[in-house]
Amino acid sequence: KNQVEQSPQSLIILEGKNCTLQCNYTVSPFSNLRWYKQDTGRGPVSLTIMTFSENTKSNGRYTATLDADTKQSSLHITASQLSDSASYICVVNSNSGYALNFGKGTSLLVTP
Amino acid sequence: DGGITQSPKYLFRKEGQNVTLSCEQNLNHDAMYWYRQDPGQGLRLIYYSQIVNDFQKGDIAEGYSVSREKKESFPLTVTSAQKNPTAFYLCASSATGGLPPYNEQFFGPGTRLTVL
Repeated sequence: KNQVEQSPQSLIILEGKNCTLQCNYTVSPFSNLRWYKQDTGRGPVSLTIMTFSENTKSNGRYTATLDADTKQSSLHITASQLSDSASYICVVNSNSGYALNFGKGTSLLVTP
Repeated sequence: DGGITQSPKYLFRKEGQNVTLSCEQNLNHDAMYWYRQDPGQGLRLIYYSQIVNDFQKGDIAEGYSVSREKKESFPLTVTSAQKNPTAFYLCASSATGGLPPYNEQFFGPGTRLTVL
């Protein structure tokens, strides 16, 4: 069964600090992996998308890594801001079609 | 929210009533999707449509129905047969075909349905 596991479930950090969120998956065959940010009560917004051949991709203060051999991905947030408080969802696509496998998300709270 | 609108933002329904959630997109996407999100759970696919006048059941289609009469619109009806309809409902759309990221799904702002 295709699964996407995220850790930690929740995280609280001080403003200005860095943090790393983890995503492990068993989805096969692998097509691509995306990280979404979802503010409370809003729809998810894409941060990065990574295909099999990509190891690292950055989007401002967000840097995603992918190890397709170990089936692990991480999302690193640098110099966190209060607006980073949200749920971060890892999504793995098993083919080039529609089928997406969603993680349960990591809830991040950035405090002053 | 990328050209996808959902209405209403909040919806209250009495048990036994059907209710229809609206989803419209102006991205010229062929494919549209409905997801359900519950607290502490990943998004679950209810229905999807890859072309007008065609749609397929997702993982949790029981108690739901959809139509796709226009490319821009994909309304979801939550029927009285849905045993636990209180949830956050998200609509998404994507282009079809092509390699990533061209098939990325763009999400609407969501509708929170509460059954009283």
